[in-house]
Amino acid sequence: SHELTQPPSVSVSPGQTARITCSGDALPKKYAYWYQQKSGQSPVLVIYEDSKRPSGIPERFSGSSSGTMATLTISGAQVEDEADYYCYSADSSGTHGVFGGGTKLTVL
Amino acid sequence: QVQLVESGGGVVQPGRSLRLSCAASGFTFSNYGMHWVRQAPGKGLEWVAVIWYDGSNKFYADSVKGRFTISRDTSKNTLYLQMNSLRAEDTAVYYCARDGDGHDYWGQGTLVTVSS
Repeated sequence: SHELTQPPSVSVSPGQTARITCSGDALPKKYAYWYQQKSGQSPVLVIYEDSKRPSGIPERFSGSSSGTMATLTISGAQVEDEADYYCYSADSSGTHGVFGGGTKLTVL
Repeated sequence: QVQLVESGGGVVQPGRSLRLSCAASGFTFSNYGMHWVRQAPGKGLEWVAVIWYDGSNKFYADSVKGRFTISRDTSKNTLYLQMNSLRAEDTAVYYCARDGDGHDYWGQGTLVTVSS
């Protein structure tokens, strides 16, 4: 079955670059998507189709994908970026979705 | 503006049924596929099901296949999730999400608690 693996936690100081990885066998063929979820809130899409940023998402958020790994990069992370981040992709058939286990980003 | 509003959650006994609704507004509902995603207390996101924009195809996570049914009523701009044979492990906040460029809009979620 299709699985996506993320590190449980990442910690950076304000102004540093945070990188969150997501690995999965389907990623060479399927786009990765990234979601931010702050405590008590619904998820928010921050990156779609590996590297595209929705309107309203700050430029410090970027995405890339190579082989079986996708990466969310937050350049100059800010305290308000503290949240859980989830990657998502479809399986190789494109019919089933899967989320990674989530990464808790701490900025302090 | 795009709005998705879930309803229908509550406390239900194991083995019973519940139907969730997701009222959509601010966009042409019939042009978009829709997803259900759930989140157990203190846990991560879990994809549950998807229905294509025209209802022609539906796909389910293995954990709910055969028990849950996703459907949509374009005349009412509403997405549904019929949940049968509920188990304790189905306890979660259930979100509906639009399938645009990714899950680009989400509702606020509705809590389902399966407990005797």
